[in-house]
Amino acid sequence: KAGVTQTPRYLIKTRGQQVTLSCSPISGHRSVSWYQQTPGQGLQFLFEYFSETQRNKGNFPGRFSGRQFSNSRSEMNVSTLELGDSALYLCASSLEVLQETQYFGPGTRLLVL
Amino acid sequence: AQSVAQPEDQVNVAEGNPLTVKCTYSVSGNPYLFWYVQYPNRGLQFLLKYITGDNLVKGSYGFEAEFNKSQTSFHLKKPSALVSDSALYFCAVRDMGGYSTLTFGKGTMLLVSP
Repeated sequence: KAGVTQTPRYLIKTRGQQVTLSCSPISGHRSVSWYQQTPGQGLQFLFEYFSETQRNKGNFPGRFSGRQFSNSRSEMNVSTLELGDSALYLCASSLEVLQETQYFGPGTRLLVL
Repeated sequence: AQSVAQPEDQVNVAEGNPLTVKCTYSVSGNPYLFWYVQYPNRGLQFLLKYITGDNLVKGSYGFEAEFNKSQTSFHLKKPSALVSDSALYFCAVRDMGGYSTLTFGKGTMLLVSP
């Protein structure tokens, strides 16, 4: 099976712009989670989607949003980018039950200038 | 609220020696526990998990972890370290009850010297 794929892998934006990141889960996985990884804060949970519904949301401002499509693919959007949004954004997919393992994609590295 | 503590930012070990990476957790109910490894410029790779049953869990690449409920710990171990094991290791916990999220520790950098 193909793993979790994320596009683009690298992105450079300037402050004030917006960005959309995409994640395609492993075939058959209906749960998708997003995380932000920075050297200072580590891995922080952004949101989790299951069957097109947001099931959980982390403690991030409203500039961060996401959605999931009927084919389980997910996108996250960050509007009005700030320098502090520079990070590795990781997507993970899993089967629907809580004890199932989350499998991570390679991430999208976002640099905000 | 659930949380994970990895008390060591870095662990240094010589190749061939046993290694331990420590993890303690806090959840209100019973935990699902996971270990992941991250190599430079890569995503996280799953190593092993504890759901229920035997407290000693065996995973990928010769790693194992021991669940200790009384000490709320889930330390990662390997009998003989390899230089290629050098990477960033994350412990994570999820509460069995409800739709809780997966919470990660800050990570521990493992450096294995030749």
